[in-house]
Amino acid sequence: SAVISQKPSRDICQRGTSLTIQCQVDSQVTMMFWYRQQPGQSLTLIATANQGSEATYESGFVIDKFPISRPNLTFSTLTVSNMSPEDSSIYLCSVEGAGGEAFFGQGTRLTVV
Amino acid sequence: RKEVEQDPGPFNVPEGATVAFNCTYSNSASQSFFWYRQDCRKEPKLLMSVYSSGNEDGRFTAQLNRASQYISLLIRDSKLSDSATYLCVVNTDSGGGADGLTFGKGTHLIIQP
Repeated sequence: SAVISQKPSRDICQRGTSLTIQCQVDSQVTMMFWYRQQPGQSLTLIATANQGSEATYESGFVIDKFPISRPNLTFSTLTVSNMSPEDSSIYLCSVEGAGGEAFFGQGTRLTVV
Repeated sequence: RKEVEQDPGPFNVPEGATVAFNCTYSNSASQSFFWYRQDCRKEPKLLMSVYSSGNEDGRFTAQLNRASQYISLLIRDSKLSDSATYLCVVNTDSGGGADGLTFGKGTHLIIQP
């Protein structure tokens, strides 16, 4: 499986500000995925990031709130914009394995105050 | 996206005991199935894929029942280090892509000495 490095590992942010999370993979991958895991909840897919095209967002998530960049096949960023306390969550990037499973970065624990 | 349901627990089990938990899924078109393990404040990690014929990996056995739409995980001779949250994951994408993954909320397992 790929080695996925995600940073920051955690942050405490003021409401109304934005945070950009970075995800670096040690091999080239076609798709990268961004998830959110709210306290006590299951992982929810935010969007799929494809290199060279706009990200594909899931229902309930919009580009203005969660802009994504995918400048090359090993890197992606997710920005959480205009944050509110409801955005406090763990954000995870992932890549796809050979069997359709997901492998995750270490996660970013975000607290908005 | 259809739901994946798990008993949240916690399951409190003495060390050395056998523990089993189930997961049900509602989308009969689901193609592939996985169990993940998530430790506190860590990212989910793939424990094992679940095959139609059932599969075993050391002390862990996974079973799939397509007719009843449930997946099970059996842990034998449980160790203290097995304490974690176990996530049931189902892929409903016909192409098997990782963007089709649906995660359960997880079953919390506590192994007691």
